[in-house]
Amino acid sequence: DTGVSQDPRHKITKRGQNVTFRCDPISEHNRLYWYRQTLGQGPEFLTYFQNEAQLEKSRLLSDRFSAERPKGSFSTLEIQRTEQGDSAMYLCASSSPGHGYTFGSGTRLTVV
Amino acid sequence: QKEVEQDPGPLSVPEGAIVSLNCTYSNSAFQYFMWYRQYSRKGPELLMYTYSSGNKEDGRFTAQVDKSSKYISLFIRDSQPSDSATYLCARGSNDMRFGAGTRLTVKP
Repeated sequence: DTGVSQDPRHKITKRGQNVTFRCDPISEHNRLYWYRQTLGQGPEFLTYFQNEAQLEKSRLLSDRFSAERPKGSFSTLEIQRTEQGDSAMYLCASSSPGHGYTFGSGTRLTVV
Repeated sequence: QKEVEQDPGPLSVPEGAIVSLNCTYSNSAFQYFMWYRQYSRKGPELLMYTYSSGNKEDGRFTAQVDKSSKYISLFIRDSQPSDSATYLCARGSNDMRFGAGTRLTVKP
């Protein structure tokens, strides 16, 4: 297992377009998290899944954002009608009880 | 009030110095605390985690939690240029909430 994998690493999109990011967690981890990080700030919690159930969503996750984790394996985060304020690093992490979080390298989104 | 407050720095020290990084937290019910290190354009990597109060040591790193003052500290002994990174404190629970991160530079 090579850790948490995120794809793509970088994404440049025009304002108003939809984008989708993918996260493949460590296989034995049942929890999966999405965070957003802007320059000079710590990661901000967006949402998390336990297996396929989405258990918590931050108020930062507007109705333009949707996350899924079908079958409790990989997860996708979709942003519809992107805005310049969506430009950030989107981080995925996974964990299991008794273990710390392992983060992926993130997807850097630039909205132009 | 944010759940975890952290002085963003930046902090610059000479090689070999002892570094002290600090955070405060708002809710006395929190019991798990973590320190992450993040290099530029990389995801955070877990350095240490502590449960409840007390000290935990791992090589040159010591994590300390003072529940009476709701204070979290990370000490780095014999700091090296390779320690230059952003250090993030976090409280754990069902999810994790981070401080803003302190940017540390260790100069040779």
